Amino acid sequence: QVQLQESGPGVVKPSGTLSLTCAVSGGSISTSNWWSWVRQPPGKGLEWIGEIFHTGDTNYNPSLKSRVTISVDKSKNQFSLKLTSVTAADTAVYYCARGENSGNYGVFSDIWGQGTRVIVSS
Amino acid sequence: DIQMTQSPSSLSASVGDRVSITCRASHGISRYLNWYQQKPGKAPKLLIYAASSLQSGVPLRFSGSGSGTDFTLTISSLQPEDFATYYCQQSDTKPFTFGPGTKVDIK
Repeated sequence: QVQLQESGPGVVKPSGTLSLTCAVSGGSISTSNWWSWVRQPPGKGLEWIGEIFHTGDTNYNPSLKSRVTISVDKSKNQFSLKLTSVTAADTAVYYCARGENSGNYGVFSDIWGQGTRVIVSS
Repeated sequence: DIQMTQSPSSLSASVGDRVSITCRASHGISRYLNWYQQKPGKAPKLLIYAASSLQSGVPLRFSGSGSGTDFTLTISSLQPEDFATYYCQQSDTKPFTFGPGTKVDIK
């Protein structure tokens, strides 16, 4: 049973860099899955940040693309998120998720981490 | 980006009620539509993928329908554990966008 676990600082200073890691357990990250990050500001909806394949191929949300980097470390079976120049608007719960291919009709996120809360504050 | 809307934004219902939530895409997305359930303080949980395919382990009272721009999530008989917020998500075009959510609470 694949499980995901996010980790990282709970508080980041404005203009700083948010760095989170998602550890994959119970299975290999080097599969046919895409691995993604989704965030949820307090009391608001879900926002797709981006995704990575184990080869290092990435796709990002254009609204964040200039500030986001997602990377993979196959030796540690984990992937990471870096978001630069953060502001209060980046305060959110950040989730990592596994993307599974439905075959004919796109990708769905079938396994999620529990989420980690990040507050941007001085 | 493809914009997703949901209606209603919230609804109150009783245990045993049949509940339907509508999701609309700003452009046609064929059947590239997923539904998630989220309870407070918890991660989203996949219910339906590819518009109408039930995720393994999800109760049969949940069903999805639609294609193109209009989709529906139906709960045939609402149970106490179904009170939550429901989100649709399109996976046709990146960025994969979510609807704003529909909160289902107890009448």
